[in-house]
Amino acid sequence: AQSVTQLGSHVSVSEGALVLLRCNYSSSVPPYLFWYVQYPNQGLQLLLKYTSAATLVKGINGFEAEFKKSETSFHLTKPSAHMSDAAEYFCAVNNQAGTALIFGKGTTLSVSS
Amino acid sequence: NAGVTQTPKFQVLKTGQSMTLQCAQDMNHNSMYWYRQDPGMGLRLIYYSASEGTTDKGEVPNGYNVSRLNKREFSLRLESAAPSQTSVYFCASSSPTGQGFTEAFFGQGTRLTVV
Repeated sequence: AQSVTQLGSHVSVSEGALVLLRCNYSSSVPPYLFWYVQYPNQGLQLLLKYTSAATLVKGINGFEAEFKKSETSFHLTKPSAHMSDAAEYFCAVNNQAGTALIFGKGTTLSVSS
Repeated sequence: NAGVTQTPKFQVLKTGQSMTLQCAQDMNHNSMYWYRQDPGMGLRLIYYSASEGTTDKGEVPNGYNVSRLNKREFSLRLESAAPSQTSVYFCASSSPTGQGFTEAFFGQGTRLTVV
């Protein structure tokens, strides 16, 4: 069965510090993995996606994620946090039929100055 | 481009009332979705439509009905609203390829409160 687990519902970092948001997946088929960001009172915006090409995926706003099959992980990183990165982040995997996305419970990122 | 448009943006209902949430996309996507977002629960799939004329249940379909009116429009109906349906509802669309799922594009959400 397809599922996603995001470790840590809330992550706090200082401006300029490394951002690391963790995502582990379970999939009975080759996974397609996604990270979305949601700013307050807005919809979800795609940050990046893994679709079986390169294992290191670069996205918007300086974020990147590495697909590690052996660890069933797809962690999101950014070398230097900015205040504007404060938001909720969702990891998602395709369902088994490849017809919809299954989301994790989300991680709220806070950035302090 | 408008992308995915949801109406209304906010709604307050009394228990037992009915309403329809509207969604339209202008990207010529085949697939459309309704999710609900609740604190600490992430987004959960209510219903989806892989193509015009088809609909399928997601994870939490009870208490909802959907209609894929045409390729552009996908509506969600609450026949008898309950407080447990207080949530933020998101519509999304995508065009999955033969190689698997592609990204989904989301609307701005509808904040529904049932009192």
